[in-house]
Amino acid sequence: GAVVSQHPSWVICKSGTSVKIECRSLDFQATTMFWYRQFPKQSLMLMATSNEGSKATYEQGVEKDKFLINHASLTLSTLTVTSAHPEDSSFYICSAGWDEQFFGPGTRLTVL
Amino acid sequence: GEDVEQSLFLSVREGDSSVINCTYTDSSSTYLYWYKQEPGAGLQLLTYIFSNMDMKQDQRLTVLLNKKDKHLSLRIADTQTGDSAIYFCAERAGGYNKLIFGAGTRLAVHP
Repeated sequence: GAVVSQHPSWVICKSGTSVKIECRSLDFQATTMFWYRQFPKQSLMLMATSNEGSKATYEQGVEKDKFLINHASLTLSTLTVTSAHPEDSSFYICSAGWDEQFFGPGTRLTVL
Repeated sequence: GEDVEQSLFLSVREGDSSVINCTYTDSSSTYLYWYKQEPGAGLQLLTYIFSNMDMKQDQRLTVLLNKKDKHLSLRIADTQTGDSAIYFCAERAGGYNKLIFGAGTRLAVHP
């Protein structure tokens, strides 16, 4: 199957700082990518749909000014968690594809 | 609305078959997926089935779809310890490409 990578795989930051997470489709182009978050022992919740060349579409309850998404190319989407707080600590996973959706390995964010 | 439900836990003996069940509510779902997640890792796509199919088999995996009852199952034959993981059922919401996930079923395989 296709490969989706994420960077970094884990990050620890101080409260109030911003963190950028990258999602790349390595062997295919993706006009649409998806960002999910997963709390411990819970399922994945879709945060937003990242659209290449246009604004992201956010799910209800997700603050677009806090979770900035940029999809600047057909192989790269970035999620920036701005002014991070401890409650933003989570596992963030991206996916890309159409009929088959492939997921990245995830990024574990810990905010101190 | 869209909702996907799964039982939370399944324990099987090594070598037996495992059957993980899932129900969904969106009758316009086009694709239904099974993903596997091991601790601390991302999701691995195991298989998926198009909504006009009843069954799909891929090596040890068999997916059954009852569209009338909106019921999906994943059968793992000859379950091994390496199959221990969380299995997520997901539906692709009709008209969209986003996936709606169930809560995940934790499969424990014991000797």
